[in-house]
Amino acid sequence: EAGVAQSPRYKIIEKRQSVAFWCNPISGHATLYWYQQILGQGPKLLIQFQNNGVVDDSQLPKDRFSAERLKGVDSTLKIQPAKLEDSAVYLCASSLISGTNTDTQYFGPGTRLTVL
Amino acid sequence: AQSVTQLDSHVSVSEGTPVLLRCNYSSSYSPSLFWYVQHPNKGLQLLLKYTSAATLVKGINGFEAEFKKSETSFHLTKPSAHMSDAAEYFCVVYDSGTYKYIFGTGTRLKVLA
Repeated sequence: EAGVAQSPRYKIIEKRQSVAFWCNPISGHATLYWYQQILGQGPKLLIQFQNNGVVDDSQLPKDRFSAERLKGVDSTLKIQPAKLEDSAVYLCASSLISGTNTDTQYFGPGTRLTVL
Repeated sequence: AQSVTQLDSHVSVSEGTPVLLRCNYSSSYSPSLFWYVQHPNKGLQLLLKYTSAATLVKGINGFEAEFKKSETSFHLTKPSAHMSDAAEYFCVVYDSGTYKYIFGTGTRLKVLA
């Protein structure tokens, strides 16, 4: 089966510019996660969708970050305006929620954002 | 609340020697536990997972982990390190109530020639 797809893989922008990332989860996966991973740190959850509804966005800086998941499939994460501290890898992951303990999260390759 | 603690931020081993990456968890019920590996400039790849079946779990690339309830541990091991094992390793616990995956802080494995 195809994995989680993300694009672009790399992006360089100047501060105060805007940027958008795209994610296509594994087919049939109800839950989609966006993580921010700053160099040398573990992934930090930004937002979690179940189908097209937001489950948790408590750590999303809502003054500059937004995310949507139209039709419960693809998702986009936007930053506007970007700050230097937004330089990080943005990881998308998806999971099939079966209600059992066999649920597993699969990750895309990530988008490396550099803000100059 | 569920949590994981990775006891070592950095581990160095010589090629061909055993690898031990330590992880302790905290959970109020039987947890689902995972180990992920992240090579430089790559996404996270699932190594193995424990879901209350066998306590000794075998994963990819010769890695395995043993779930020990009495010690609340889920340590990752490999009998013989290879240069390609150099990467960051994350221990993760799944909270089935919130569908969240709780990450440890990571262990960076260095393999010396």
